Amino acid sequence: NAGVTQTPKFQVLKTGQSMTLQCAQDMNHEYMSWYRQDPGMGLRLIHYSVGAGITDQGEVPNGYNVSRSTTEDFPLRLLSAAPSQTSVYFCASSTRDRSTGELFFGEGSRLTVL
Amino acid sequence: GQNIDQPTEMTATEGAIVQINCTYQTSGFNGLFWYQQHAGEAPTFLSYNVLDGLEEKGRFSSFLSRSKGYSYLLLKELQMKDSASYLCAVRWGNAGNMLTFGGGTRLMVKP
Repeated sequence: NAGVTQTPKFQVLKTGQSMTLQCAQDMNHEYMSWYRQDPGMGLRLIHYSVGAGITDQGEVPNGYNVSRSTTEDFPLRLLSAAPSQTSVYFCASSTRDRSTGELFFGEGSRLTVL
Repeated sequence: GQNIDQPTEMTATEGAIVQINCTYQTSGFNGLFWYQQHAGEAPTFLSYNVLDGLEEKGRFSSFLSRSKGYSYLLLKELQMKDSASYLCAVRWGNAGNMLTFGGGTRLMVKP
């Protein structure tokens, strides 16, 4: 069972470079989201999507873009990397059923911006 | 806005009981979650409360009081493998599944 798959697991960038973190889920979940996790700050929501073609901003969207062309994929784009974007990024998905609301997380992508 | 507070660190002894508290101030409360996260790994779901009261699931229980903006996670019969961070999170909004997380409580279980 693949679940939520994130690539790459590790990435080092130079300031100003751009890159895309990939996220794919095979559970046919409607909802997908991206979080970043920094020491002592918990997870913070970057962007989220409630379905294909629909995205919205979370708490810390600046410097990131997303798109949702299919139910399965939700890539996160860093437009011009900055050292402040050094973090661990988690993609998560869940069903439309909010009776439990369990988020299924990918294994995370550790990004370092020099 | 959302504000969630939980202790940064706790230490407990193997076999004991530990209670991790979480207080929150939110707009549009729509459920409270607890996640476990081992170092270097992704968070995994533990519990979900949307109504007041206690939810029990094996060695883990979670309590919610919406009027007080308060929740706790109770871990019984602690095991060494319970050493992890425990994340309190509140869902907001009427669509989607957007969570605001607290900073997490790092629990260390000693022999």
